[in-house]
Amino acid sequence: GAVVSQHPSWVICKSGTSVKIECRSLDFQATTMFWYRQFPKQSLMLMATSNEGSKATYEQGVEKDKFLINHASLTLSTLTVTSAHPEDSSFYICSARDSPTSGRGDSSYNEQFFGPGTRLTVL
Amino acid sequence: AQKVTQAQTEISVVEKEDVTLDCVYETRDTTYYLFWYKQPPSGELVFLIRRNSFDEQNEISGRYSWNFQKSTSSFNFTITASQVVDSAVYFCALRGSTLGRLYFGRGTQLTVWP
Repeated sequence: GAVVSQHPSWVICKSGTSVKIECRSLDFQATTMFWYRQFPKQSLMLMATSNEGSKATYEQGVEKDKFLINHASLTLSTLTVTSAHPEDSSFYICSARDSPTSGRGDSSYNEQFFGPGTRLTVL
Repeated sequence: AQKVTQAQTEISVVEKEDVTLDCVYETRDTTYYLFWYKQPPSGELVFLIRRNSFDEQNEISGRYSWNFQKSTSSFNFTITASQVVDSAVYFCALRGSTLGRLYFGRGTQLTVWP
């Protein structure tokens, strides 16, 4: 299957600093990437949908000025948590959607592939 | 509206027991996809299965089997002869269209004791 990487896998930072998380599709082009947040013992909550070359679409309740998303290329999306606070500590997971013309799998499906996640701890 | 309900928050079984994880979904779409993912303690989501709404055939893969019942909007997952390595959180998810987002259930924590 397709591979999605995230960097870093974990990060610890001080309150007030900004943290950038990268999500890369390694062997396919992803026109759309998704960013999820998962608090301990909870489900994955979609934060935003990122389309290459355009502004991200944020879910209700997610502050776009705090969680900056950039999807400048077909293989890279970044999430920057600005002025991080302890309540932003969470597990952040990205997923990348394959192109329907990639020839990989069911062409009508547009499968999503998940990254391994980034654990953010804000002190 | 799309919704996935996993009523079982936690399940504990002893090794070699069979266990079924329930998933009930809601959607108004006629075409949709259902998924199961496994999330071990490492956190990485492991894809288990995808099923589209037009394929109600049940599937078996080794010790795993899935029962898709459109009449009851359920997509249950059974692990036969459970093993300690099956311990993880299992998520059921729904995707309403080919371009739509995934909707996750809250997950079921499965613990298999030796």
